[in-house]
Amino acid sequence: SQTIHQWPATLVQPVGSPLSLECTVEGTSNPNLYWYRQAAGRGLQLLFYSVGIGQISSEVPQNLSASRPQDRQFILSSKKLLLSDSGFYLCAWSGGTGPYEQYFGPGTRLTVT
Amino acid sequence: RKEVEQDPGPFNVPEGATVAFNCTYSNSASQSFFWYRQDCRKEPKLLMSVYSSGNEDGRFTAQLNRASQYISLLIRDSKLSDSATYLCVVNTLTGGFKTIFGAGTRLFVKA
Repeated sequence: SQTIHQWPATLVQPVGSPLSLECTVEGTSNPNLYWYRQAAGRGLQLLFYSVGIGQISSEVPQNLSASRPQDRQFILSSKKLLLSDSGFYLCAWSGGTGPYEQYFGPGTRLTVT
Repeated sequence: RKEVEQDPGPFNVPEGATVAFNCTYSNSASQSFFWYRQDCRKEPKLLMSVYSSGNEDGRFTAQLNRASQYISLLIRDSKLSDSATYLCVVNTLTGGFKTIFGAGTRLFVKA
């Protein structure tokens, strides 16, 4: 069966520091991968999605970037965090073809201080 | 108008009640639809897919109305454990993939 891992579970970082969040998927090949952010009390905002290695689509221009160095690895990064980057970051995967049911990892709760 | 809209609630219902949520979407080209459940401070979990013909899973029934552009979720015989936030998701594949989550509807089931 497929599983999705995210780490770390929680993170407290100062403003201006870099960020690297990692997500890996097991038990499937060539998944679509997604990064979402959920601000406190708000809905999910799609940040990036990827349909294959090195293929990244950005939904919202900001100081975050994503990379997919391997088929089942998705990384979210920032060179300099802002206070507004605080939130619950969720990685998800879906099968390579429709209807695109997405399955989420446990998430990383990021607090920028 | 938001692309996907849900009544934020909260819906406060007694155990055993039937409760229904709606979710409207603006893009008539949308092609796949889902309901997710999210518990406090947890990741969303897929509850069920939504088809034009409707689908049922135990106490849960989902419906899609393409003409009026909304999806619905009906929960019968509510349990305390149904308390959560329910998110609708709308995917559009035409002109490039797009997935949009509704902001969610909060449900509290009380004894």
